[in-house]
Amino acid sequence: DVKVTQSSRYLVKRTGEKVFLECVQDMDHENMFWYRQDPGLGLRLIYFSYDVKMKEKGDIPEGYSVSREKKERFSLILESASTNQTSMYLCASSQDRPGNQPQHFGDGTRLSIL
Amino acid sequence: QKEVEQNSGPLSVPEGAIASLNCTYSDRGSQSFFWYRQYSGKSPELIMFIYSNGDKEDGRFTAQLNKASQYVSLLIRDSQPSDSATYLCAVRAGGAGNMLTFGGGTRLMVKP
Repeated sequence: DVKVTQSSRYLVKRTGEKVFLECVQDMDHENMFWYRQDPGLGLRLIYFSYDVKMKEKGDIPEGYSVSREKKERFSLILESASTNQTSMYLCASSQDRPGNQPQHFGDGTRLSIL
Repeated sequence: QKEVEQNSGPLSVPEGAIASLNCTYSDRGSQSFFWYRQYSGKSPELIMFIYSNGDKEDGRFTAQLNKASQYVSLLIRDSQPSDSATYLCAVRAGGAGNMLTFGGGTRLMVKP
């Protein structure tokens, strides 16, 4: 089974802090994704990566950055946390070949910014 | 803007009935279609996927795809209270990265 592990289930940080969310997958997947999920707004893609050191902006990249130094690890960084970044953050990974592969999600990190 | 639309619900069905969940998508070039189940406070888990027109069955679940009508559905037979969750439809259009576009989800409530 695919295992996607997010470093924290719950996290509380203060406004202005630099926040790191870590995600590790154990299936040698090429693609990794970061989403946030808010009530009434559904899943929104923040960033994705299709290879080591490669990254692409999703729908809502403002206020976030990412890092992918190793294939198995994809980090989401909140440069200066703000209260409107309080949300559930979900990491996912998928195989690139053959095509049409599903994404597999981690358990999520519920982040609160005070 | 590629869109995936779902009725937000809640869809309420009695235990043992068939639950029918629907999804429409705007991008005619979409290639593959996925259904995820998400329990409250949990992350989405893949239920099944479908690539070709027609029906695909897996246990109590049947996915139906009609590309001409840009419509995909999920049928849950013999619904159980444990099926109560939000069901997300996701569509892949193609291109690099296996990106998916997700619908907003339909909340299903199965009443004993």
